[in-house]
Amino acid sequence: KAGVTQTPRYLIKTRGQQVTLSCSPISGHRSVSWYQQTPGQGLQFLFEYFSETQRNKGNFPGRFSGRQFSNSRSEMNVSTLELGDSALYLCASEPGPGGNTIYFGEGSWLTVV
Amino acid sequence: GEDVEQSLFLSVREGDSSVINCTYTDSSSTYLYWYKQEPGAGLQLLTYIFSNMDMKQDQRLTVLLNKKDKHLSLRIADTQTGDSAIYFCAEDGNTGKLIFGQGTTLQVKP
Repeated sequence: KAGVTQTPRYLIKTRGQQVTLSCSPISGHRSVSWYQQTPGQGLQFLFEYFSETQRNKGNFPGRFSGRQFSNSRSEMNVSTLELGDSALYLCASEPGPGGNTIYFGEGSWLTVV
Repeated sequence: GEDVEQSLFLSVREGDSSVINCTYTDSSSTYLYWYKQEPGAGLQLLTYIFSNMDMKQDQRLTVLLNKKDKHLSLRIADTQTGDSAIYFCAEDGNTGKLIFGQGTTLQVKP
C-alpha cells in the first residue's frame, strides 16, 4: 500500500512568486492536513480537509490556501512568497477526522530566495 | 491554551534504555502520539495511545500516560544507533489538529 506522496520534494522560489504543493493521501484515506515545519516555530498546523471541505484552519495569513479534490488529493498554495515561508511542508493523511492513525509524507522542502 | 513541552536533547549508550518525556496541557485530547523524524525526512508514526489507557507496549516501545499529571513518556528498550533521530510527541487537542512538542533529539553513542 503506497504511503502519503508529496510533490515536489524540493523547490526554490523567489520572493513574490507563488507556489503550489501537492499531496496524495493513502488510498482510502479521505482526510488530509497540512503542517509547516521551521527551526524557529517547529511544527504548526495549516489546515485540514475532509470530503473537499476545509474543516479547520491554523493561524496563518490568507496567502496560504488549500483545496481538496474529489479523489482526496490535496493541494496547498502560497502566494506572494516571503523569505519566512522557507520551510518543510508536511502533508498528513488519515481515514477520516478524529482517527488515531495519522500518517505523514516525506514533505516538500521550500526555499524562498 | 494548548501546549506541549519536551526536553530538547537526550544522549544514551547503545543497548541502554531511552526515556523521552512530554507534558501537555489539553485534557480533552483523545489520542497522544509519538513520531520519529530522521534527517531530511518526514514524520514516521511510531505509536499512539488512547487517553483512557495508562500504558501501551509495542515491541521495543513502551508508552506511559499519566493523565492526572498530563505526562506522557516513550521508553525505547535496547536503544540502537538507528534510533538516533528527533522524537515528537503530539496531542490531538479539541479541534482535531495535532499540537506538537519541540522535539527531543536522541543521540545514541556506540
